[in-house]
Amino acid sequence: DAKTTQPPSMDCAEGRAANLPCNHSTISGNEYVYWYRQIHSQGPQYIIHGLKNNETNEMASLIITEDRKSSTLILPHATLRDTAVYYCIVRVLNRDDKIIFGKGTRLHILP
Amino acid sequence: EAGVAQSPRYKIIEKRQSVAFWCNPISGHATLYWYQQILGQGPKLLIQFQNNGVVDDSQLPKDRFSAERLKGVDSTLKIQPAKLEDSAVYLCASSTNVPDRFHQFSTDTQYFGPGTRLTVL
Repeated sequence: DAKTTQPPSMDCAEGRAANLPCNHSTISGNEYVYWYRQIHSQGPQYIIHGLKNNETNEMASLIITEDRKSSTLILPHATLRDTAVYYCIVRVLNRDDKIIFGKGTRLHILP
Repeated sequence: EAGVAQSPRYKIIEKRQSVAFWCNPISGHATLYWYQQILGQGPKLLIQFQNNGVVDDSQLPKDRFSAERLKGVDSTLKIQPAKLEDSAVYLCASSTNVPDRFHQFSTDTQYFGPGTRLTVL
């Protein structure tokens, strides 16, 4: 079973920041928080991951609370192409650890 | 670099028929995964290969599903015989074990192919 809880859907206006929450209250000390997204008719795409500090890359920012029980993925300037299902995943970083996907959050970007 | 290739993109068969899917991972990626994604759900791991060896096949219905990666590169997933509930998208992904900036070996950044949409009638 997925170890994360996400809202099933969210709306965001084009050009605004999209903030996608994720709860992972049972996260262990050696588990990382990962985000993937899946655009319609495509395979999932890696976005970002982090352990306990905030992370930023060219796609998004990841904010992890100090107790690590929740996190937020931020798309700073959402475009219509960001419409997708976003998956929050926790996992240990080793070669044998599998990714367990939940149902994710379906993000609708509104023009 | 070229991405993960899968074929066919779509397949329609009748129940009790057999079907096979093919995956060509990104060059140099040692780890290959097959996922099943039923409509409205997230992908579910079926099997994971490290080179040509199986790392995890605990979720593979072995009475009807089989997979191989004989030379540690391409892989095939077979269903024989198919059932109605096998209708899904079958995704292949690959990754490479390189240390990330957290100085841990990482199988993250799994690169996914476009998937094969299977419809069983």
